Amino acid sequence: GAGVSQSPSNKVTEKGKDVELRCDPISGHTALYWYRQSLGQGLEFLIYFQGNSAPDKSGLPSDRFSAERTGGSVSTLTIQRTQQEDSAVYLCASSITRQGIEAFFGQGTRLTVV
Amino acid sequence: SQQGEEDPQALSIQEGENATMNCSYKTSINNLQWYRQNSGRGLVHLILIRSNEREKHSGRLRVTLDTSKKSSSLLITASRAADTASYFCATGLIQGAQKLVFGQGTRLTINP
Repeated sequence: GAGVSQSPSNKVTEKGKDVELRCDPISGHTALYWYRQSLGQGLEFLIYFQGNSAPDKSGLPSDRFSAERTGGSVSTLTIQRTQQEDSAVYLCASSITRQGIEAFFGQGTRLTVV
Repeated sequence: SQQGEEDPQALSIQEGENATMNCSYKTSINNLQWYRQNSGRGLVHLILIRSNEREKHSGRLRVTLDTSKKSSSLLITASRAADTASYFCATGLIQGAQKLVFGQGTRLTINP
């Protein structure tokens, strides 16, 4: 596609429910990143994929968070048993797998847990 | 912990003035990038400087990198109201080379 696409744009969910956030990277980009940004804060690294494998999951805040990537393309970030502190904008980015190449960001999914 | 830390956290200047933002980091890097974010959504890449470079220009942007001090600066010359945004530095680490680690950002406001 023309850019990184994330869906949904906005998601309101009740506390305790599971949510799935989707990211469609730019075609041909093998590196994919998930970040979380709370209101007025910086970007918190969650997970990084190279192809379908995730060499770095160090940023996932708890075992309620998981992510997968299939076919070296689409990625899904799943949050189980959502809590109010999970409310944030979840940003996905992709890049060509070569050092020093810029990352292209999607517009994010704003998650609100009520 | 965050790799990059921007300074100042917020900056407000008059249109036409120059804006300087700084970024410090902790570990060895392969490259350092600056991004811009409007309205708290997607980030847009501005400029990348590699660890063996000291200065780079792109239009009204000038980036410097001092690896001995583990710091970088972003200068925006002749600022415009449209430059109002949050600016983030991101470091590409040597280990885990594809991982981009972002700082907390500088909120820049340009007053007309």
